[in-house]
Amino acid sequence: DQQVKQNSPSLSVQEGRISILNCDYTNSMFDYFLWYKKYPAEGPTFLISISSIKDKNEDGRFTVFLNKSAKHLSLHIVPSQPGDSAVYFCAASRYNDYKLSFGAGTTVTVRA
Amino acid sequence: DAGVTQSPTHLIKTRGQQVTLRCSPKSGHDTVSWYQQALGQGPQFIFQYYEEEERQRGNFPDRFSGHQFPNYSSELNVNALLLGDSALYLCASSLPGGDEKLFFGSGTQLSVL
Repeated sequence: DQQVKQNSPSLSVQEGRISILNCDYTNSMFDYFLWYKKYPAEGPTFLISISSIKDKNEDGRFTVFLNKSAKHLSLHIVPSQPGDSAVYFCAASRYNDYKLSFGAGTTVTVRA
Repeated sequence: DAGVTQSPTHLIKTRGQQVTLRCSPKSGHDTVSWYQQALGQGPQFIFQYYEEEERQRGNFPDRFSGHQFPNYSSELNVNALLLGDSALYLCASSLPGGDEKLFFGSGTQLSVL
């Protein structure tokens, strides 16, 4: 039962442009959302997170937007850089639950 | 400051065998979680260890078991290996008591032939 879905397996964007990654979830009990970034042969690394009490969180070039009514979140990367080429995972958790539920990931390729 | 370290990095086993994977958490972390990442999928939660006990378990059979030692390091054991157990096994540690911001190791790539 996939509770977190990333429907776009891949995204190609030109350097300097905006990358927008989307994520949908089905469990209304989720109250904390995270984005992880993964390079080949490395483990995922934490990128940015957002609590369900907020609808936006910004950290440098990365902004996460949360639309609770639509059960949708997105990650914006502006401007995109070649080093941003990686797999991005959306993850969610709920209060008093110690596991993260991950989406299948979106592979981002930033073209020079 | 060493991050999360896992060993071995790669492992090849045959069906029916048993395997043990090892993990040392990031300094200052006391909680260890294990995830299985199959090809083309996101990580799936296996279980989490805290204070040397399994605190929560995901939807994995009893063939998957673990242990946490007093120094917070952890092992994942898989018995009676199946072809479908071939995956990247990720260990993640987090701050005392558990925190959503997990720090992952590079993983152990297990191939079952």
